[in-house]
Amino acid sequence: GAGVSQSPRYKVAKRGQDVALRCDPISGHVSLFWYQQALGQGPEFLTYFQNEAQLDKSGLPSDRFFAERPEGSVSTLKIQRTQQEDSAVYLCASSLLAGAPSLGNEQFFGPGTRLTVL
Amino acid sequence: GNSVTQMEGPVTLSEEAFLTINCTYTATGYPSLFWYVQYPGEGLQLLLKATKADDKGSNKGFEATYRKETTSFHLEKGSVQVSDSAVYFCAPTGGGNKLTFGTGTQLKVEL
Repeated sequence: GAGVSQSPRYKVAKRGQDVALRCDPISGHVSLFWYQQALGQGPEFLTYFQNEAQLDKSGLPSDRFFAERPEGSVSTLKIQRTQQEDSAVYLCASSLLAGAPSLGNEQFFGPGTRLTVL
Repeated sequence: GNSVTQMEGPVTLSEEAFLTINCTYTATGYPSLFWYVQYPGEGLQLLLKATKADDKGSNKGFEATYRKETTSFHLEKGSVQVSDSAVYFCAPTGGGNKLTFGTGTQLKVEL
């Protein structure tokens, strides 16, 4: 596809369930990012991959959050034992190069997965 | 880390009015600066960018100038349209490879 895709678009989970969110980046993009956007807020960084290597996971809020990108393309964000405070839109973005945005390396965003934890 | 302060919304304007959405940031070093837009029901889209001091980013009639002396990157448009109704996010690079987003400013343009 031409853009970043994410699935599912909507996910409802009962508290305590595990969820897995999928991101398909633009083909050939080296960098992949996950952000969390709470209602009425801006996106907040969770983690960053360069190819299959997870180089920055400083934004993951707890050890219940885990992300992987085993073949350097598709990525999965997994949340274990979901809590109500995990309810948010989870955004995936990809960029062509490995460098920082300061090099004019644009991040392209997917439509997001809206997670609701009951 | 870097941070950004955006003008609170919602901002409600009549069509053809002049728009300013203020954005100031704190950063170490020399961040690149971005404005993203989120139209209702859609994902974030890059609106414009500037990568060094005094650069002016522009797109779709929107402009923003990288002001290092005031650490600002205010978004302007001379004549807004109903189709510009959306949420606008200011985002300097946040150290490393990530973006640091403001809380967003909702713009509503009425006929």
